[in-house]
Amino acid sequence: AQSVTQLDSHVSVSEGTPVLLRCNYSSSYSPSLFWYVQHPNKGLQLLLKYTSAATLVKGINGFEAEFKKSETSFHLTKPSAHMSDAAEYFCVVSGPPDSGYALNFGKGTSLLVTP
Amino acid sequence: NAGVTQTPKFQVLKTGQSMTLQCAQDMNHEYMSWYRQDPGMGLRLIHYSVGAGITDQGEVPNGYNVSRSTTEDFPLRLLSAAPSQTSVYFCASSYKAGGELFFGEGSRLTVL
Repeated sequence: AQSVTQLDSHVSVSEGTPVLLRCNYSSSYSPSLFWYVQHPNKGLQLLLKYTSAATLVKGINGFEAEFKKSETSFHLTKPSAHMSDAAEYFCVVSGPPDSGYALNFGKGTSLLVTP
Repeated sequence: NAGVTQTPKFQVLKTGQSMTLQCAQDMNHEYMSWYRQDPGMGLRLIHYSVGAGITDQGEVPNGYNVSRSTTEDFPLRLLSAAPSQTSVYFCASSYKAGGELFFGEGSRLTVL
């Protein structure tokens, strides 16, 4: 079975400081991993994805994530937060073939950026 | 560039009523899915389809029905609405199962 745990439901950072959103996963096989972002009252947009190529994945808007198999983690980072980064972030793991590789979402981390 | 289009954006129903949420995509994606989003719960998969004529259940399928008669359309039917189905519903599609999902803007449903 596969699952994803986002370790913080809320994270608050000051503008210009680093962002770290933590995600751990469990899976019985080698999954694909994603981070999505949702701005208020909007749909979801893909930030980045890991599909067994490079372990350090670069995404849009300066975000990146590192896949660490030994730690079963896929934490999202950004060197310097911007006010426009305030949003809900979801870590996602793909399911096994018999689930249609369904994407399973974490419960989300709300990022607050203060001036 | 329409992408994934959901209608309606907002709907209020009374308990026991039925309705259909429409979803259409113009990207020729084989995979389509429906999720519901509730506060603190993330997104939970209701039903999915890997191609026309093929559908399967996700994590929370009870009370919902789907069909996939064409590649483009994947409607979600609420058979007899209940207050527990008050939620925001998202349709999403992908070129293949397990690939990047492209989301619609969501449909906010309230059941009284």
